[in-house]
Amino acid sequence: QKEVEQNSGPLSVPEGAIASLNCTYSDRVSQSFFWYRQYSGKSPELIMSIYSNGDKEDGRFTAQLNKASQYVSLLIRDSQPSDSATYLCAVNIQYNFNKFYFGSGTKLNVKP
Amino acid sequence: DTGVSQDPRHKITKRGQNVTFRCDPISEHNRLYWYRQTLGQGPEFLTYFQNEAQLEKSRLLSDRFSAERPKGSFSTLEIQRTEQGDSAMYLCASSPAPPRETQYFGPGTRLLVL
Repeated sequence: QKEVEQNSGPLSVPEGAIASLNCTYSDRVSQSFFWYRQYSGKSPELIMSIYSNGDKEDGRFTAQLNKASQYVSLLIRDSQPSDSATYLCAVNIQYNFNKFYFGSGTKLNVKP
Repeated sequence: DTGVSQDPRHKITKRGQNVTFRCDPISEHNRLYWYRQTLGQGPEFLTYFQNEAQLEKSRLLSDRFSAERPKGSFSTLEIQRTEQGDSAMYLCASSPAPPRETQYFGPGTRLLVL
C-alpha cells in the first residue's frame, strides 16, 4: 500500500463549480498535510497546509482534515480555467527523518 | 527572498556520462530535500539534509547517485554513469525547522539521457 493515495482523475468540472479533491494516507502518525498545485512541466507550488482536524480556508480554497479516517480533502470554490492542473497531496512524518510522502496527484480540468 | 533555485534547468546527456545538478535553498532554511519525478507520478523522495548532515537516503538512490551539502548551504546531486531510466525531473525543496516545516520547491532540473 502506498503511503498516500489519490484518484488520478481527470476530474472535470465546469467553470464556477466546486471542485473536490480527495487524499487518503496510511501512516497514523502523520502530522502535517499539504496540498500542492503543479502545472504541466512546472514544479509543485504550495497551496495550503493543515495540521489539525477540521477545516482551513484560504480564499477560494478549503482544506479538510480527518485524522481518524486518515483523510484529507481540498475544495476549490468558483473554479476557474486557470485552476486546471495536477493537485498533489503530501504528508509529513517527523519521526521518520521528517520525510514527506506525495501522492501521484489528481488532474483537474476546469471547462469554460 | 529569491526562493529555491536550481541549475541547470535542462540537461541532455548520453548514457554513461556523469551529470551534476545544483540547488540553492531559501537562505534561512536549514533543511534540504531532493526528489525525482517521472511523468504521471508524484515526487519520490531521494535524500534529505539537515544543515550539512545527510540524514536519510532512499533505497531509490543507487550507488551511482551521490549528494552533498557542504557548509549547509547549496547542495549538489551527482549521477554517475547515467542510464536511460534516470531520465526524469529532479526537484529540490527546502524548509525551515519545525513547526513551520512546509517545503518550497525549486523549478527543477529536467534530465534526458539518450
